[in-house]
Parts: sequence; C-alpha cells; structure tokens
Amino acid sequence: SQQGEEDPQALSIQEGENATMNCSYKTSINNLQWYRQNSGRGLVHLILIRSNEREKHSGRLRVTLDTSKKSSSLLITASRAADTASYFCATEGSGNTGKLIFGQGTTLQVKP
Amino acid sequence: GAVVSQHPSWVICKSGTSVKIECRSLDFQATTMFWYRQFPKQSLMLMATSNEGSKATYEQGVEKDKFLINHASLTLSTLTVTSAHPEDSSFYICSAGPGLDLHTQYFGPGTRLTVL
Repeated sequence: SQQGEEDPQALSIQEGENATMNCSYKTSINNLQWYRQNSGRGLVHLILIRSNEREKHSGRLRVTLDTSKKSSSLLITASRAADTASYFCATEGSGNTGKLIFGQGTTLQVKP
Repeated sequence: GAVVSQHPSWVICKSGTSVKIECRSLDFQATTMFWYRQFPKQSLMLMATSNEGSKATYEQGVEKDKFLINHASLTLSTLTVTSAHPEDSSFYICSAGPGLDLHTQYFGPGTRLTVL
C-alpha cells in the first residue's frame, strides 16, 4: 500500500526558479528518502533524512522533515532543465526491515 | 554509489509464457533485495523482500506462486513471472541493500515487461 501523498502531482517552472515538493505519510518512520526517476528509468537516490533530523542539505537540494505533522518537503533551488524528472519520497518504517513505501510522486518539468 | 544491474532491460512475451528477470549487485554483497512494480505514471509498489538463502516475503495481494523470487547468492536475485498475462505488463524494478549506510538501497535500471 502507498504510504503517503505528494503534492503537487505535477509542477512546471522556468529554469532558474525554485521547485518545492511536499510529501505526507501516515505511520512512524525510521527515515524518509527522496528519489528521482527519469522517464522509463530506474531510481536515483537523492537524500535521506532520519527521523531525528529536521533539515538536510545536499548541493541544490534542501529537505525538511516534520515528524509531528508527518510531512517532508524537497526544495530544488536554481532549477535546471536537466532537473526535469519525477520525484518520489519513500519512508522506511521503524521496524528496520529496510522496506520502503513510496509516495505517489511529483512530476517536475523545468522549461529552459 | 553501488551498481545494480537488471537483465533484460525490456522483454516482450506471449500470454501464458514465463519470464525471468535478473537483478545483480555488481560491486557489493546484498543481503536483501527488494522487488517493485510500477505501472505507467504511477508510483512504485513493493512486491516482495528477498533475503539471501531464505524464502521471499511477499506483500499483501502479491501472488507468490505467480511471482517466483529466488535469492540464490549475495549478488543475484531473480523474479520469474509465471504464466504471464497482459495485466502483468509493467516496469519491474529491483533494489539491493544494505549499502554503506544500513538504510541505503541501490536501485536497478528496471525491466519493461510487455505481455501480448
């Protein structure tokens, strides 16, 4: 079953603008991860944030986690056309099984 | 990051035939591999968890007799779709872990299955 919902489902912006995607989940988690998927391809791991962390940065990516609201956001700053892809959040539960439950995803289009 | 391969990358088969998909971790030993399926424009749905040397654990609603999973070694897991039907057409993705970080998984490039 799907853990969470992401919004927006689709986002279209101009190159250079920032893109923000949100993810909500339902159960307690060990960590939350964001992945990127280019059309018809596998997933690329972007960033992992643990349940005791509130914010994490990696290059142009900024991820926040609010466990009280069971939500996370992914911010991509200064977007590029090459950032065009689908972005998924995935949660790993507290049972340490390694199982990931994916959100519905946000399709991002960055126009040059 | 670590490399996970899948073979084949795409396959077309006739209804009623069986198809085997391989997932290999190329540069690390994966004690656990996961199998997902993804329908067009949808998210990934976890099908099963595969641990080396033991039986796979299937998610609710996934038929274990239809989707046979074998994890014979620390670098290879296979998914066999038996008696495939058009509704089995999907994108199948595997992941392998743990990586350097115990919570890190590495995803394969996926296999596109089309059943005619």
